[in-house]
Amino acid sequence: EAQVTQNPRYLITVTGKKLTVTCSQNMNHEYMSWYRQDPGLGLRQIYYSMNVEVTDKGDVPEGYKVSRKEKRNFPLILESPSPNQTSLYFCASSLGGTGNTIYFGEGSWLTVV
Amino acid sequence: RKEVEQDPGPFNVPEGATVAFNCTYSNSASQSFFWYRQDCRKEPKLLMSVYSSGNEDGRFTAQLNRASQYISLLIRDSKLSDSATYLCVVNSEYGNKLVFGAGTILRVKS
Repeated sequence: EAQVTQNPRYLITVTGKKLTVTCSQNMNHEYMSWYRQDPGLGLRQIYYSMNVEVTDKGDVPEGYKVSRKEKRNFPLILESPSPNQTSLYFCASSLGGTGNTIYFGEGSWLTVV
Repeated sequence: RKEVEQDPGPFNVPEGATVAFNCTYSNSASQSFFWYRQDCRKEPKLLMSVYSSGNEDGRFTAQLNRASQYISLLIRDSKLSDSATYLCVVNSEYGNKLVFGAGTILRVKS
């Protein structure tokens, strides 16, 4: 089954404690990205990757890091989480380009206290 | 000004009603337009692409108005299961990416 898998789905952590949200897709997609969704603001892109070892900032990259060492994986790293990073996070993948369907993971609810 | 703007709603309609949402976008050069559906606390999923000539998929009709820079989604014969948030998506004027609107909430009631 074609899917995007992200973990953990739910996490409560404390300010400053590094965490990683993993993301994996099995569709051999070149394009992967991370979004955060906050009430009234919609989905905002954090980082994206056009292919292996190619990453770039989205609209809200501050406080986040990513890596793309393999085509299928695109982890999101919060080196020193802060309460304003409490949000719902979605990993997504697509074939590439803006004309293709985006497939989303089920989302990760992150709370930073 | 936001790149993509939607009326947040909620639109409360009875079963069987026809409802329409509009979405305006700022990039006059946009070529890619979509409607995604998002159920409460779940991931967005593609509902339909929007083509220049307009397109229909069952009870759903999407239209594009380039002159006024908006797209629309019309839902006929609303079902309870249509209750969701509908996200308008357009390609950005800043790079090779898509921009999501904040969504319009639809509630269909019996």
